[in-house]
Amino acid sequence: KAGVTQTPRYLIKTRGQQVTLSCSPISGHRSVSWYQQTPGQGLQFLFEYFSETQRNKGNFPGRFSGRQFSNSRSEMNVSTLELGDSALYLCASSFSSGGIWTGTDTQYFGPGTRLTVL
Amino acid sequence: QKEVEQDPGPLSVPEGAIVSLNCTYSNSAFQYFMWYRQYSRKGPELLMYTYSSGNKEDGRFTAQVDKSSKYISLFIRDSQPSDSATYLCATPTSQGAQKLVFGQGTRLTINP
Repeated sequence: KAGVTQTPRYLIKTRGQQVTLSCSPISGHRSVSWYQQTPGQGLQFLFEYFSETQRNKGNFPGRFSGRQFSNSRSEMNVSTLELGDSALYLCASSFSSGGIWTGTDTQYFGPGTRLTVL
Repeated sequence: QKEVEQDPGPLSVPEGAIVSLNCTYSNSAFQYFMWYRQYSRKGPELLMYTYSSGNKEDGRFTAQVDKSSKYISLFIRDSQPSDSATYLCATPTSQGAQKLVFGQGTRLTINP
């Protein structure tokens, strides 16, 4: 079974630009979550999509948005980039039962997209 | 106060040593705890998860939860250079099974 794939793997942008990152989940997985990883803050939850609906959201500004398509593939967008947005953006997929965590909620991570904002 | 606290290290031990990695958490409602391993330039991979209190063993790895002290541990026996990685503890929050909160991660190096 193919793992979670993320494209592109590396991106360099300048302040004020916007960026779109893509994630293809494991086949059969309907939940896609996005995380931001930085040396200072560690791994932080951005949002989760399930069946094309945002089911959960972290504490990030509205510049961070996402969507999910009918094939479960997901994209996240960051508008008006700031220097502090430089990070590794990780996507994770799971089969997801929803509600209380069970083994089917195990999240499998992709390799991430390294975003550098200059 | 962060919901999950973890000493970022770095931690360096000789090959064959027993390694102990630890986290504390603040919310007594947390019930499931995971340990992820992240190699350089890779995404985290799930090592194991535990529910409530007690121990869980998987090969050279043992996860332990002490709910009374809100303390979770991962022990690695007979450590190998290939175990060199960043280890992250995590737990799903009450807001949703997919919303994981992570510790800072401990960078571990096993020296041959």
